[in-house]
Amino acid sequence: GAGVSQSPRYKVAKRGQDVALRCDPISGHVSLFWYQQALGQGPEFLTYFQNEAQLDKSGLPSDRFFAERPEGSVSTLKIQRTQQEDSAVYLCASSLGGSFGQYFGPGTRLTVT
Amino acid sequence: LAKTTQPISMDSYEGQEVNITCSHNNIATNDYITWYQQFPSQGPRFIIQGYKTKVTNEVASLFIPADRKSSTLSLPRVSLSDTAVYYCLVGAYNTDKLIFGTGTRLQVFP
Repeated sequence: GAGVSQSPRYKVAKRGQDVALRCDPISGHVSLFWYQQALGQGPEFLTYFQNEAQLDKSGLPSDRFFAERPEGSVSTLKIQRTQQEDSAVYLCASSLGGSFGQYFGPGTRLTVT
Repeated sequence: LAKTTQPISMDSYEGQEVNITCSHNNIATNDYITWYQQFPSQGPRFIIQGYKTKVTNEVASLFIPADRKSSTLSLPRVSLSDTAVYYCLVGAYNTDKLIFGTGTRLQVFP
């Protein structure tokens, strides 16, 4: 069956632009997670949804980062006024419930110039 | 969540067995040990999970000593396609987040 998909796969933004990254989780998966992965580092947790409820957003690095999952399925991670330090791969993962059964998407590579 | 320490990199040759050890001295009673694999340009992929003793699946084995302060991921007869970064994670089964370290970069040579 289909796995987690993310779009776009690559995004180049000029500093100061807003970007929106989309995640389509596996159908029926209740939990959805966003991670940020800098070059040469492991993924870092950003935020977590259970259905449409955002239960944990402790990893969002600043108020320029905003995530939503309005209907409990597709999720969007929005970054306002992008900065160079936002350049990273943004990974989305989904699970039936619980953290360790997570399936990851291929990620969106964001480059801010 | 317990902190983990693992080697930054390892090299091996095709056909060899590779053992990657992870230290987690502060593991809690309800923590599980989980390993993920990540290829370039892909998201991490679950390999194996265990609580104690030994777990084996079609991909790898996980050895956990009685004190659970460390664990060893064993990959039998590696191939070039096993070249990847391997992450050791420790946390409660119902935790709402995964904490990744920097992982171990395994390079397999022909």
